[in-house]
Amino acid sequence: ELKVEQNPLFLSMQEGKNYTIYCNYSTTSDRLYWYRQDPGKSLESLFVLLSNGAVKQEGRLMASLDTKARLSTLHITAAVHDLSATYFCAFEPGSNYQLIWGAGTKLIIKP
Amino acid sequence: EAQVTQNPRYLITVTGKKLTVTCSQNMNHEYMSWYRQDPGLGLRQIYYSMNVEVTDKGDVPEGYKVSRKEKRNFPLILESPSPNQTSLYFCASSPFTGTRNEQFFGPGTRLTVL
Repeated sequence: ELKVEQNPLFLSMQEGKNYTIYCNYSTTSDRLYWYRQDPGKSLESLFVLLSNGAVKQEGRLMASLDTKARLSTLHITAAVHDLSATYFCAFEPGSNYQLIWGAGTKLIIKP
Repeated sequence: EAQVTQNPRYLITVTGKKLTVTCSQNMNHEYMSWYRQDPGLGLRQIYYSMNVEVTDKGDVPEGYKVSRKEKRNFPLILESPSPNQTSLYFCASSPFTGTRNEQFFGPGTRLTVL
């Protein structure tokens, strides 16, 4: 079965703290995507990871991919309120295959 | 500007009154898809299309129809809407090039069926 598990599904944290969101996927893949969604808004692409060991960073967010463990992480450093959103990961099981989506992690960052 | 557009953005209708939500992309993408999003249920795929005249059911196709007569357009049709189709709907497209299949999303259509 093709599936993605995100952990945690809900995260409430204080500003200034660090935390990691985990994305486990069920079959071998070296293509993993992270998206952000603000409440009532559309999904916006954050990171595209296309190989084992890939690491991408933008501001306080850093995403990495370990294809052997079938795991991607989204690390938040020194969180700020503006990062409050729902974060989705999705992986691509193979060529000519559409994305398989995680359930999303709702992140609330309190001042 | 490269984008996916949806219309209308908001719609309130009554049970049984046929409606169409349009989706158009200007990126020459092969792949297009419709999702619905409900609180606590994440994204659920309704239908998708790999190319013109090729459509397939997603996870929750009941009560919906689609067509793909042109590459750029992928309308979602609700022949007889019911209250359980009240939801936030997203259209997405992807190049499906084989190297990078990032999906680009439209702004969403919030549908209420009374």
